[in-house]
Amino acid sequence: EPEVTQTPSHQVTQMGQEVILRCVPISNHLYFYWYRQILGQKVEFLVSFYNNEISEKSEIFDDQFSVERPDGSNFTLKIRSTKLEDSAMYFCASGLGLNTGELFFGEGSRLTVL
Amino acid sequence: QKEVEQNSGPLSVPEGAIASLNCTYSDRGSQSFFWYRQYSGKSPELIMFIYSNGDKEDGRFTAQLNKASQYVSLLIRDSQPSDSATYLCAVRQGGYNKLIFGAGTRLAVHP
Repeated sequence: EPEVTQTPSHQVTQMGQEVILRCVPISNHLYFYWYRQILGQKVEFLVSFYNNEISEKSEIFDDQFSVERPDGSNFTLKIRSTKLEDSAMYFCASGLGLNTGELFFGEGSRLTVL
Repeated sequence: QKEVEQNSGPLSVPEGAIASLNCTYSDRGSQSFFWYRQYSGKSPELIMFIYSNGDKEDGRFTAQLNKASQYVSLLIRDSQPSDSATYLCAVRQGGYNKLIFGAGTRLAVHP
């Protein structure tokens, strides 16, 4: 069964460093998302991406964050200068179309900022 | 701020019983509602979605939607210990399938 894959599964970084989290969405999906979940808290929307551009972003998604789909298969989330409060599980999700509604989530990348 | 509210639990039920999980939402214009299951340390896994008022059944799971009351519920029949997880209610908002999640209800099914 097709699935969303994410790498790395866990990354530890020093405060101020740049990190890139990678995702391979399901191949025929058109809509891509990043969510995050701080330990013990709710899953929060970060950004949606369609047709090679950001379609919507949350207040969390500030100038430190960026997304791109460099090669038609990978979908990346970059955090330019990590802060302690960026420590969280980051989930990539993809969806086939707007009318179907369902999103399918990857297994997540746990980011630990020291 | 458009919210999705869930009782955090834990909801404890014996094996074989019916577990009832509830969710309310504040955006009256919401049209699509989803239940995800999340095991500890894992990603959300879609269980069901519902768009229309009434009940929708899928195996042991039944989703119920009442748009007038802004209320969504999930019933799990014949609960099994493997159903022990956190159940996330999510509401679609906006034009690009953004999901707003509740904080989740932790379900514990004991033998």
